[in-house]
Amino acid sequence: AQKVTQAQTEISVVEKEDVTLDCVYETRDTTYYLFWYKQPPSGELVFLIRRNSFDEQNEISGRYSWNFQKSTSSFNFTITASQVVDSAVYFCAPPYRTNNNDMRFGAGTRLTVKP
Amino acid sequence: DTAVSQTPKYLVTQMGNDKSIKCEQNLGHDTMYWYKQDSKKFLKIMFSYNNKELIINETVPNRFSPKSPDKAHLNLHINSLELGDSAVYFCASSPTGLAGDEQYFGPGTRLTVT
Repeated sequence: AQKVTQAQTEISVVEKEDVTLDCVYETRDTTYYLFWYKQPPSGELVFLIRRNSFDEQNEISGRYSWNFQKSTSSFNFTITASQVVDSAVYFCAPPYRTNNNDMRFGAGTRLTVKP
Repeated sequence: DTAVSQTPKYLVTQMGNDKSIKCEQNLGHDTMYWYKQDSKKFLKIMFSYNNKELIINETVPNRFSPKSPDKAHLNLHINSLELGDSAVYFCASSPTGLAGDEQYFGPGTRLTVT
């Protein structure tokens, strides 16, 4: 079973600053997946990224990038040149069971980007 | 077209009432889920169904009963509502239900029990 910790409850930055959201996980499995979801103030949950344990390559999508480090059990998310529209709660989530997909979300990090 | 839809979006009711929330997905997915999000934004799985069969039933009071008439629908019925049931309930679906599947979430239903 996996467990995830998002130690940062709230982060506040000014527009154009870079910000990194931390996610540390625990698992005994050799095969696992990690996810990030975004929940903007409107309330819907938006899928951002999925990584599997075999692929440690960092991923970049526009201003978003993810740093997956098995050695430190971390899957951190960086927003470059943050914008007000990035303000949201961000959830890191691993599946709880490797043969099932009931998502066990972290507590979330509330990011506020001020103009 | 909305991929995962929920009705109603808002539900205000009194303690002791019985209410239902409906969920439909048009993605052809095999697995559907219900999550509860409390006021602190903590998201917790409640149930999951795969092809109309219950797969996961977390420690949820038996006042909550999911019903899946077909694999495109997963409804949540709640009996004898309590104040602590106030939350946002999210429905989700995924293609197979196996680990690694992305979950697609509905817009949520905000339930307020007074």
